Amino acid sequence: GENVEQHPSTLSVQEGDSAVIKCTYSDSASNYFPWYKQELGKRPQLIIDIRSNVGEKKDQRIAVTLNKTAKHFSLHITETQPEDSAVYFCAAIKDWSGNQFYFGTGTSLTVIP
Amino acid sequence: DVKVTQSSRYLVKRTGEKVFLECVQDMDHENMFWYRQDPGLGLRLIYFSYDVKMKEKGDIPEGYSVSREKKERFSLILESASTNQTSMYLCASRGTGRSYEQYFGPGTRLTVT
Repeated sequence: GENVEQHPSTLSVQEGDSAVIKCTYSDSASNYFPWYKQELGKRPQLIIDIRSNVGEKKDQRIAVTLNKTAKHFSLHITETQPEDSAVYFCAAIKDWSGNQFYFGTGTSLTVIP
Repeated sequence: DVKVTQSSRYLVKRTGEKVFLECVQDMDHENMFWYRQDPGLGLRLIYFSYDVKMKEKGDIPEGYSVSREKKERFSLILESASTNQTSMYLCASRGTGRSYEQYFGPGTRLTVT
């Protein structure tokens, strides 16, 4: 099956700095790559996603880039704020039905005021 | 607004007990999922269902079964709970169509003693 690796496992940044989280995947057939944010004690929620026919997608302070050749994708958060502190999960979908999600192990981001 | 609810936030059971975790969604979604979340391991798919009475194994189905008798309800069953099943269990649902976004429930923290 698919194997998604996520780095780093923890990340601390100063407020206002940028944060980058990277994921690699193993199956070149994967075609959809979402990022979920889970605040402490809350449920994961989708924050941004990208499909394999797109190289970059941006939504205000967050962006995702995809390199299909190298099989890696990254989450970029600019001008970080304390409310960005959370655990972030990347995922990849191999199954064309869209149901077999493979999640990374998560990155705990702390934004220091 | 999608609402996914789970029957309990916290549950404590004894080894060998039969455990039922219930999930209900109110958006008429065809697809429903059960994950377990453990520190350092991310979210791992146990089972999913794409229609009433239909189910598919995920990555870690051993020791679990599921039931989907109604479209809005998806149950996870631990036939004989063991201590290694102590974990956070998350339910999710997704509609059909181009969006692969999964909507998560609040989670059930299960402790098996």
